[in-house]
Amino acid sequence: EPEVTQTPSHQVTQMGQEVILRCVPISNHLYFYWYRQILGQKVEFLVSFYNNEISEKSEIFDDQFSVERPDGSNFTLKIRSTKLEDSAMYFCASSEIPRNNQPQHFGDGTRLSIL
Amino acid sequence: AQKITQTQPGMFVQEKEAVTLDCTYDTSDPSYGLFWYKQPSSGEMIFLIYQGSYDQQNATEGRYSLNFQKARKSANLVISASQLGDSAMYFCAMREDQDTGNQFYFGTGTSLTVIP
Repeated sequence: EPEVTQTPSHQVTQMGQEVILRCVPISNHLYFYWYRQILGQKVEFLVSFYNNEISEKSEIFDDQFSVERPDGSNFTLKIRSTKLEDSAMYFCASSEIPRNNQPQHFGDGTRLSIL
Repeated sequence: AQKITQTQPGMFVQEKEAVTLDCTYDTSDPSYGLFWYKQPSSGEMIFLIYQGSYDQQNATEGRYSLNFQKARKSANLVISASQLGDSAMYFCAMREDQDTGNQFYFGTGTSLTVIP
């Protein structure tokens, strides 16, 4: 069964450094998403992306964050200057054309630790 | 107001018994979808079951069923014949049809422990 893949599984970065999280969505999916989950908390929406542009972003997704689909397969999340509070699990997800019965398929996540 | 509320931080169930995980939601959109995900200790998010706001019947998927009570805005997950492998976090989520960004709203989750 096709799946969303994320790399790396764990990233350790010094505060203030840039980090890029990578995702390969399911190949026939058109919508892509990033969510984060701070340890012990709920999953929070960051951004959705369709047709090479952002569809929606949350308040969390400030100017330090950016997303890109650099080629036909990868979808990346960049955090420009990381802060301690960026430490979290980051999930990439993808879906077909959004309809109410379409689940979002999640990757296994990247655990980001900021030192 | 919270879009999704899960009031049970932790639940225990005996192996082979059934368990109900509660979820209530808040929306003014007449068209929406409700989803349950399982998150094992390894961290991945696994889709379990879906219920549409206009569905007349409760959704079922193997040992998972959804007790959908629209007037009460609840969408409880029922796991029958619990297995040790069901021990995990369970998240309820909602999508609103009017949301063009297709954002999923998640609850805080319920940690289920299956006791042998």
